[in-house]
Amino acid sequence: EPEVTQTPSHQVTQMGQEVILRCVPISNHLYFYWYRQILGQKVEFLVSFYNNEISEKSEIFDDQFSVERPDGSNFTLKIRSTKLEDSAMYFCASRSGTPYEQYFGPGTRLTVT
Amino acid sequence: QKEVEQNSGPLSVPEGAIASLNCTYSDRVSQSFFWYRQYSGKSPELIMSIYSNGDKEDGRFTAQLNKASQYVSLLIRDSQPSDSATYLCAVNQGDYGNNRLAFGKGNQVVVIP
Repeated sequence: EPEVTQTPSHQVTQMGQEVILRCVPISNHLYFYWYRQILGQKVEFLVSFYNNEISEKSEIFDDQFSVERPDGSNFTLKIRSTKLEDSAMYFCASRSGTPYEQYFGPGTRLTVT
Repeated sequence: QKEVEQNSGPLSVPEGAIASLNCTYSDRVSQSFFWYRQYSGKSPELIMSIYSNGDKEDGRFTAQLNKASQYVSLLIRDSQPSDSATYLCAVNQGDYGNNRLAFGKGNQVVVIP
């Protein structure tokens, strides 16, 4: 069964450093998303991406964040200058056109020290 | 007002019993509703989707939707220890083209053997 994959599973970085989180969505899916979950809190939407452009972004997704689909398979989230409060699990999700179910990858645990 | 609310505290049920979970949402335009299961330290796993008023059954799971009351519920019949997890209610925000998911905080279910 096709799955969303994410790398790395765990990333430790120092405050102010840039990180790139990688995702490979399910191959025939068209819509891509990033969510995050701070430990003990709810899953929060960051950004949605369709047809090679951002469809919607949340207030969390400020100028420090960017997304890219550099080729036909990868979908990346870049955080330019990490802050302590960026420590969280970051989930990539994808869906086909219809139905509207979003499937989540296993996540990347980002720890900013 | 919170977008998606799951107010119940941890739910302990004996093995074989029915677990009942509830969720309310604020956006009347929402058309798509989902239940995800999340084991500790893992990503959300889609278990049910529902789009129309009424009941939808899939194996031991039944989702119920009442758009007039802005209410979604999940029943787990014949609960098994493997059902012990946090159950997340997720609601799409806006119309079908804007498919950002808003999540509730989740309900922890503990199935006691």
